[in-house]
Amino acid sequence: QVQLQQSGPGLVKPSQTLSLTCAISGDSVSSNSGAWNWIRQSPSRGLEWLGRTYYRSQWKNDYAVSVKSRITINPDTSKNQFTLQLNSVTPEDTAVYYCAGGLWYQGLGFWGQGTLVTVSS
Amino acid sequence: QSVLTQPPSVSAAPGQKVTISCSGSSSNIGNNHVSWYQQLPGTAPKLLIYDNNKRPSGIPDRFSGSKSDTSATLGITGLQTGDEADYYCGTWDSSLSAGLFGGGTKLTVL
Repeated sequence: QVQLQQSGPGLVKPSQTLSLTCAISGDSVSSNSGAWNWIRQSPSRGLEWLGRTYYRSQWKNDYAVSVKSRITINPDTSKNQFTLQLNSVTPEDTAVYYCAGGLWYQGLGFWGQGTLVTVSS
Repeated sequence: QSVLTQPPSVSAAPGQKVTISCSGSSSNIGNNHVSWYQQLPGTAPKLLIYDNNKRPSGIPDRFSGSKSDTSATLGITGLQTGDEADYYCGTWDSSLSAGLFGGGTKLTVL
């Protein structure tokens, strides 16, 4: 059974970088048949898909238009995990952030526990 | 405002049936697979339906999914108080090259 464990700070100052990590057990971040996603949820924006990383002979990424200029999702094969970096955050980025595993046609079947990130000085 | 449109709320009595709709366009629902998620208060979303109408292992057959053109529907029969939750549809958008979620529907079991 795949399990995802999130870690990272719950408070980030405006204009700084939000960084979260999602550790994978039961699967490999380098799997040729999977994908690793970041999603956030806030009362004002609902569930919002942010982006994903996946390996198909080479590493690929897709990002949501709303955050494309500020987001980086990277795999860390040495630790079997993947990371989210969101630059230049504002209070609008305050949300619960989830990592999730799966391709959309298979459904996002595995979710992390969620991390509340507050952007405030 | 979400690209995928869901009703904000639905309600029904225990034992009854309810359906939740999800409306999109040809770039998303019309040409991609739809999945549905249940989110109980304070927890992460849980996959209920994938590939339009398939249930992951452990999901009871009270939950069903269907798709027609640019719309999808989640059905729940034999409603239980434990089904009270928020329900979200999701799919890929080929034009945006991005994942999408609906705005969510709050189910109340009266």
